[in-house]
Amino acid sequence: DAGITQSPRHKVTETGTPVTLRCHQTENHRYMYWYRQDPGHGLRLIHYSYGVKDTDKGEVSDGYSVSRSKTEDFLLTLESATSSQTSVYFCAIREDRDYGYTFGSGTRLTVV
Amino acid sequence: AQTVTQSQPEMSVQEAETVTLSCTYDTSESDYYLFWYKQPPSRQMILVIRQEAYKQQNATENRFSVNFQKAAKSFSLKISDSQLGDAAMYFCAYRSPPPFYTGANSKLTFGKGITLSVRP
Repeated sequence: DAGITQSPRHKVTETGTPVTLRCHQTENHRYMYWYRQDPGHGLRLIHYSYGVKDTDKGEVSDGYSVSRSKTEDFLLTLESATSSQTSVYFCAIREDRDYGYTFGSGTRLTVV
Repeated sequence: AQTVTQSQPEMSVQEAETVTLSCTYDTSESDYYLFWYKQPPSRQMILVIRQEAYKQQNATENRFSVNFQKAAKSFSLKISDSQLGDAAMYFCAYRSPPPFYTGANSKLTFGKGITLSVRP
């Protein structure tokens, strides 16, 4: 099983503050993703990465940036959090051989 | 762009009965993958079953099976002998395969999900 951990698990922050969520994997998978989950919308892709320093935007990337300086870590940053970014954030990896996705446990972010 | 539609927001089933969750998708591609994920109250996303579009045989995993109708672009999930632990939100998802040798990525597109409750 792929080891994938997200931190923090819960966070409450104030509008206008920067926030960084971390995704860590232990098995050197190349592809990593950040999704957000909102009621009535399912999961929507924010950003993804296909290697160190190789990232691209998903369908809801406005207000978010990402970085991947090491294979094992994929960071999602909200430069200035807004209430519309209150959501549950999931990190996922693609296990190359069988094209399956494995998800982390999610981070519940509340912006007040 | 590919889209995935789950038109029923909620369903309910009696314990030990069978329930079918519907999913349709839109694509112009001929080769792709389809998935059903389960999300229990713990929030963890759990892969239930996977289907490759080029395979005509419907995938089966224990009590879970799919009815894949490629021409109709339909991918429904059947849960037999429903158990209380099956109560969860279920997401249908679509993925196209990456082009060979380019290293290009492909992304998982989700439907909005359906909440399944199981009555004891």
